Amino acid sequence: GAGVSQSPSNKVTEKGKDVELRCDPISGHTALYWYRQSLGQGLEFLIYFQGNSAPDKSGLPSDRFSAERTGGSVSTLTIQRTQQEDSAVYLCASSFYGTGYGYTFGSGTRLTVV
Amino acid sequence: AQKVTQAQTEISVVEKEDVTLDCVYETRDTTYYLFWYKQPPSGELVFLIRRNSFDEQNEISGRYSWNFQKSTSSFNFTITASQVVDSAVYFCALSEARGGSQGNLIFGKGTKLSVKP
Repeated sequence: GAGVSQSPSNKVTEKGKDVELRCDPISGHTALYWYRQSLGQGLEFLIYFQGNSAPDKSGLPSDRFSAERTGGSVSTLTIQRTQQEDSAVYLCASSFYGTGYGYTFGSGTRLTVV
Repeated sequence: AQKVTQAQTEISVVEKEDVTLDCVYETRDTTYYLFWYKQPPSGELVFLIRRNSFDEQNEISGRYSWNFQKSTSSFNFTITASQVVDSAVYFCALSEARGGSQGNLIFGKGTKLSVKP
């Protein structure tokens, strides 16, 4: 597709359940990023994939969060044993390596933990 | 450590007024990139501009203009003759250079702009 696609757009889950959020980046983009946007917390970096390099996981808030990127394309962010404080909009972005076009963001997945 | 500060949490103006959104950044890197993004009520982040640390020329795009001043570590954004459609949250962001490319974005908290008719 022409843009970054995220699914689902909305997810309601019960506390303690695991969830998977998916991101399809723009074809050919080598870098992929996950961010979290919470009310009053702004945009928080979670994890960054660049080509075949080891991902930068420095923003993951706890070991309940993990992400993978298969075949250098699609990425899945997994949150295990969800907590209410995980409720947020999870945004994915992709970019070319070394270009000046900025990062293209998806529409996000709104996660609500009840 | 890298940091982006947008001191203005909310701004309200009347249509056709000019408005400037402030952004101050901190970084120890000599090569870095600065960005502005717009987030309208629909929620999607829309890329507005990217500027590298070696290019201090001001930029104008239609009603939008950006003033980059390394001496004050600022990258301010001005909307001339604001319109209701400009109502959104605007984010300033910073990324470091990594091997010739750009790393992850560090965002400011955003400034919510409301333009009233």
